[in-house]
Amino acid sequence: DTAVSQTPKYLVTQMGNDKSIKCEQNLGHDTMYWYKQDSKKFLKIMFSYNNKELIINETVPNRFSPKSPDKAHLNLHINSLELGDSAVYFCASSPFPGEKLFFGSGTQLSVL
Amino acid sequence: QQQVKQSPQSLIVQKGGISIINCAYENTAFDYFPWYQQFPGKGPALLIAIRPDVSEKKEGRFTISFNKSAKQFSLHIMDSQPGDSATYFCAARGYGGATNKLIFGTGTLLAVQP
Repeated sequence: DTAVSQTPKYLVTQMGNDKSIKCEQNLGHDTMYWYKQDSKKFLKIMFSYNNKELIINETVPNRFSPKSPDKAHLNLHINSLELGDSAVYFCASSPFPGEKLFFGSGTQLSVL
Repeated sequence: QQQVKQSPQSLIVQKGGISIINCAYENTAFDYFPWYQQFPGKGPALLIAIRPDVSEKKEGRFTISFNKSAKQFSLHIMDSQPGDSATYFCAARGYGGATNKLIFGTGTLLAVQP
């Protein structure tokens, strides 16, 4: 069983489209995250949820809207996609905020 | 103050050699320092972590050395193997209760030559 699974693995889309990435964890963790990894491999936190509540929002454009329907799921919806949104997006979860993060395998987003 | 500086950017080591990756930080409020390993097409995976109350932690061939006064920590991979070839990230956590977050270094691409 995959601990943190995210879908889709690849997402190719046109500028201006809206897309969603889904994430599920079966580890029983209370905290979930979205990280963005750019072309230089730099990992930057975007959002963090603790018990379904948004606790970290790292000045991400409001075109990005996370949603946590329950503790095991965290989705990311992106409106009006731009070229600069192309990156790998990682979902992660942890038993404590900021500690022992388990990452999914990533979603490679390419905006054309 | 929220940065973690990592060096070198890339590293080539012969099989059996020692790989050393260094990180430095400014924020003395950081309280947890993990290292992550990432293979191509995969997410980062926790390798080893240390807290500032100890100066060294060893797990198998992987050792973290921590120098609190210098605000530096490093990863040593002993007897490096080709299977260790990956990107390594150091990270640091700022203590803020529920708003704790991991801040990552810029990564080191390690290639271990057979």
